[in-house]
Amino acid sequence: TQLLEQSPQFLSIQEGENLTVYCNSSSVFSSLQWYRQEPGEGPVLLVTVVTGGEVKKLKRLTFQFGDARKDSSLHITAAQPGDTGLYLCAGTNTGNQFYFGTGTSLTVIP
Amino acid sequence: NAGVMQNPRHLVRRRGQEARLRCSPMKGHSHVYWYRQLPEEGLKFMVYLQKENIIDESGMPKERFSAEFPKEGPSILRIQQVVRGDSAAYFCASSQGAQTYEQYFGPGTRLTVT
Repeated sequence: TQLLEQSPQFLSIQEGENLTVYCNSSSVFSSLQWYRQEPGEGPVLLVTVVTGGEVKKLKRLTFQFGDARKDSSLHITAAQPGDTGLYLCAGTNTGNQFYFGTGTSLTVIP
Repeated sequence: NAGVMQNPRHLVRRRGQEARLRCSPMKGHSHVYWYRQLPEEGLKFMVYLQKENIIDESGMPKERFSAEFPKEGPSILRIQQVVRGDSAAYFCASSQGAQTYEQYFGPGTRLTVT
């Protein structure tokens, strides 16, 4: 089993603050995805990273794939209440099977 | 959730009954994945299917669980003789094909076994 550990598990911050969540593994992945899941709904794909060292930006969200392709980070600038949700990372090597982390539950307080 | 449809959204079954969960992939997608999510746990891979073919079922329990993706119609995850421990949210995701690395999730089916 290829394990992905996410930290922190829970994060509660004030609107306007910045934050970073992490996704770490001892395994190498061909690609890594980040999702956001809201209560009662399925995960929504935010980004896919495939190249070691790659950085992708999605408005206030910045995603980075580690050089060794074992870890990733998600940085949110000036968090807003709409960013509240469960953030999940998932890694795959073949596209046949995706391994999900346990998630970071983010609450942004207005 | 990008057009992946799952039904029913909520399903209640008594112990020993059968549960059938349906998933219609996004238009143009021919690959389907099923996952189970328990409270306080992450998504656990169960099975990966193409039309009429099971590609990887390494995450499926050996007994009572089966999945299919027929040439016509939705993918179905079938759980026979349900037990309380089967209560969970079951999600399906679809993709265009192998090596695409991107999958899109449906809204899930919440199964409750009483």
